[in-house]
Amino acid sequence: RKEVEQDPGPFNVPEGATVAFNCTYSNSASQSFFWYRQDCRKEPKLLMSVYSSGNEDGRFTAQLNRASQYISLLIRDSKLSDSATYLCVVTSSGSARQLTFGSGTQLTVLP
Amino acid sequence: NAGVTQTPKFQVLKTGQSMTLQCAQDMNHEYMSWYRQDPGMGLRLIHYSVGAGITDQGEVPNGYNVSRSTTEDFPLRLLSAAPSQTSVYFCASRRDGGNTIYFGEGSWLTVV
Repeated sequence: RKEVEQDPGPFNVPEGATVAFNCTYSNSASQSFFWYRQDCRKEPKLLMSVYSSGNEDGRFTAQLNRASQYISLLIRDSKLSDSATYLCVVTSSGSARQLTFGSGTQLTVLP
Repeated sequence: NAGVTQTPKFQVLKTGQSMTLQCAQDMNHEYMSWYRQDPGMGLRLIHYSVGAGITDQGEVPNGYNVSRSTTEDFPLRLLSAAPSQTSVYFCASRRDGGNTIYFGEGSWLTVV
């Protein structure tokens, strides 16, 4: 079983739609959680951190469920520019705090 | 503000050749790392360093060497290239204790 698992998609949604991605992680000692965005043939970039209480950044909402070991990302009012691959990232405990990446969920927003 | 710079962006190697992917960061970050990204596999950690003179293996270190003689530079060496090393390579850095990891633009490597 992979440490971090995501539905690879692809998710094809019309502009204005709401779409949600889930991610599960296997290490209960994981400490920090993030969503990264990766455009085609580009490097990943931090989209947002995920906090236990849930957090929102404009049209994006991230939530964490430690008991069930999953995190989610909700995108409201999808824009064409949201088309990308969304990577779930989990950090381990320990001094190096390694990041473990999910394989990503591909989103295409259609006009 | 250059951030993380890696070169070359594209490279084709023959099986058995060696090469070095260069990575430099100008943010004075202690932590640097190399990942490879393959379709359906996500980013996998090859090697990492928590400071100058300190390196350690990640998830997929075989066939690669690294060194960290300065805070700024973290080159990745392919000792004897194999087709299985065809991939996209990303160098990354973050400050010690920081949450945000900054990536270079990637190096597309093909081994034939």
